[in-house]
Amino acid sequence: DTGVSQDPRHKITKRGQNVTFRCDPISEHNRLYWYRQTLGQGPEFLTYFQNEAQLEKSRLLSDRFSAERPKGSFSTLEIQRTEQGDSAMYLCASSRPANTGELFFGEGSRLTVL
Amino acid sequence: QKEVEQDPGPLSVPEGAIVSLNCTYSNSAFQYFMWYRQYSRKGPELLMYTYSSGNKEDGRFTAQVDKSSKYISLFIRDSQPSDSATYLCATLNRDDKIIFGKGTRLHILP
Repeated sequence: DTGVSQDPRHKITKRGQNVTFRCDPISEHNRLYWYRQTLGQGPEFLTYFQNEAQLEKSRLLSDRFSAERPKGSFSTLEIQRTEQGDSAMYLCASSRPANTGELFFGEGSRLTVL
Repeated sequence: QKEVEQDPGPLSVPEGAIVSLNCTYSNSAFQYFMWYRQYSRKGPELLMYTYSSGNKEDGRFTAQVDKSSKYISLFIRDSQPSDSATYLCATLNRDDKIIFGKGTRLHILP
């Protein structure tokens, strides 16, 4: 399978714990995006990378959130001291170098904070 | 004003009907427009992609962009129960980010 893969698919955690999600993009794609989606809403932009450089981070992203993409390959999204409001689907997507809006999404990582 | 506005529905139509899904966008400078389809508990998948204005057809699906009214549409002909999903419109904004609408939930009734 050469699509975008995300792990884990579902994470249940208690409030205050840290969680980390991993995304493996399509190998020839140099752009990688993280989005958050809650029920009844469209995906909401969090951050994106071009190769290993994090080019933009949404103002909605508190300092409890951090994302990395070492060596421009896979990426991780860490949420520290989780809150119930962090419960959502975290979507990763990748795209080719020319940004025309064609995103290839993974299946998402669903976070439930109790 | 949000960059992309979309009626969340739900929209229920009988099998075989023509479906029309619509969005409006805020900035006339936007050039790239996309429609994504999302099944329940899955990631979105790109359905249609258009640049600038005009129509684009792919099988039963037609995407249309009207830049004069800042309106984008997706038409589905001969709708099937397997078309039941959430349809998300999206655009590439000036900050080089892909911005999504809320999505319209579509139900095709057998």
